[in-house]
Amino acid sequence: DVVMTQSPLSLPATLGQPASLSCRSSESLVDSDGNIYLNWFQQRPGQAPRRLIYQVSKRDSGVSDRFSGSGSGTDFTLKISRVEAEDVGVYYCLQVSHWPMTFGPGTTVDLK
Amino acid sequence: EVQLLESGGGLVQPGGSLRLSCAASGFTFDNIGMAWVRQAPGKGLEWVAVITANSDITHYVDSAEGRFTISRDNFKNTLYLQMNTLRPDDTARYYCVKSWWLDNWGQGTLVTVSS
Repeated sequence: DVVMTQSPLSLPATLGQPASLSCRSSESLVDSDGNIYLNWFQQRPGQAPRRLIYQVSKRDSGVSDRFSGSGSGTDFTLKISRVEAEDVGVYYCLQVSHWPMTFGPGTTVDLK
Repeated sequence: EVQLLESGGGLVQPGGSLRLSCAASGFTFDNIGMAWVRQAPGKGLEWVAVITANSDITHYVDSAEGRFTISRDNFKNTLYLQMNTLRPDDTARYYCVKSWWLDNWGQGTLVTVSS
C-alpha cells in the first residue's frame, strides 16, 4: 500500500499569515493514465470532513480561494494564503491513484 | 444539494451485529460509486468499504474483509453497511461518502462496541 506522510503534524498558525502543509507519498502518485489523484480534506472541530482540493490543485465548489494545492510525483502542498479563525482543524491528504486509497495522518492547524 | 443521512449506529456488544444505512439525495445515486469511511475517537480517517454504481465491484479494508458487507438499493437511493462479528476496535464514527473520490460526506453515525 502507498504510505502517506504529512508534516508538520501540528501547525500553530497566525491570523492573516500564510500557512503551508506538506504531504508525501511512498511512491509516485502518477497513475497508468498519467493522472494524479491526490485530495485534501478539512475537518473542523466537531464536524465531518469536507473535501477542499482534488486532483492536486482543483478546488471544490464553495472552497475559499485562500486554499491552493500543488505538487507532483510524491510531494504535495496545501497552502492557505491568509489564515482565518475558521481554518482551525485537521487537514488530511488522500491518494486514490493506487488501490487501496490511503490517507495521511493529518496536520492539526490551530492559532498561535 | 447533496445530502447523505446515516443511521443505525449505537452500542453493541463484542461479537454483535449492526446495519448502517445512508439515505442519499440531491444527485443521481445510481450513477455514482459510494464509500464508507470511519474515524475512531481522536484518530484519523480510514476507508472501510467501497461499491460501484451497479454493485458489481466491492472492496474492503483488510480488517473488515469477511465481517462487513457493503450494499446498495438504487431504487431507494440508500447505501448500507452490514457489520457482523464486531470488535472493540470497530468503535468509530462511520461516514457515508459520495464517490470513490470522497467528494461529499454525511455527518456520520457513531458505533460503539463494548461490553
